[in-house]
Amino acid sequence: SQTIHQWPATLVQPVGSPLSLECTVEGTSNPNLYWYRQAAGRGLQLLFYSVGIGQISSEVPQNLSASRPQDRQFILSSKKLLLSDSGFYLCAWTELPGQPQHFGDGTRLSIL
Amino acid sequence: SQQGEEDPQALSIQEGENATMNCSYKTSINNLQWYRQNSGRGLVHLILIRSNEREKHSGRLRVTLDTSKKSSSLLITASRAADTASYFCATAFYNQGGKLIFGQGTELSVKP
Repeated sequence: SQTIHQWPATLVQPVGSPLSLECTVEGTSNPNLYWYRQAAGRGLQLLFYSVGIGQISSEVPQNLSASRPQDRQFILSSKKLLLSDSGFYLCAWTELPGQPQHFGDGTRLSIL
Repeated sequence: SQQGEEDPQALSIQEGENATMNCSYKTSINNLQWYRQNSGRGLVHLILIRSNEREKHSGRLRVTLDTSKKSSSLLITASRAADTASYFCATAFYNQGGKLIFGQGTELSVKP
């Protein structure tokens, strides 16, 4: 069966520090991968999606970036975090575009 | 950008009652999906309805879709305390990496 792992579960970082959040999927190949951010009490905002290795589409201009170095690995990064980067970050995957997405348990990021 | 708007934003009912949540969206879609999120967790897919379908059932869930009004509703019948969660609608776009655009969600509280 397929599983998705996100880590870390929680992270507290100072303003201006770098960021690396990792997401991996097991039990499937060539998944479509997504990064979302959720502010408290709000819906999900799509940040990036990837349909294949090295293929990244950005939805929102900001100081975050994403990479997909391997088929089932999706990384969210920042060189310098801002206070506004705080939130709940969720990774998701699907086998086919438009089909139900499967979500990880998220990373709670707090910026001090 | 957010595609959908959901109402109500919050709903509090007694166990055994029905809960209805509504979702409106702005553009043409391929399908519409409903997800559930328990506090602090990732989202779980509930049900998908295609643009050429009008109604769909899954257990205690009933979803309707009116593409002329660009709206959908989720009905949970005979609610249980365990149904307490946030519920989100999401519109899917096959030709854009299968990305989902989420509404702001409805926070459902079912009191025993």
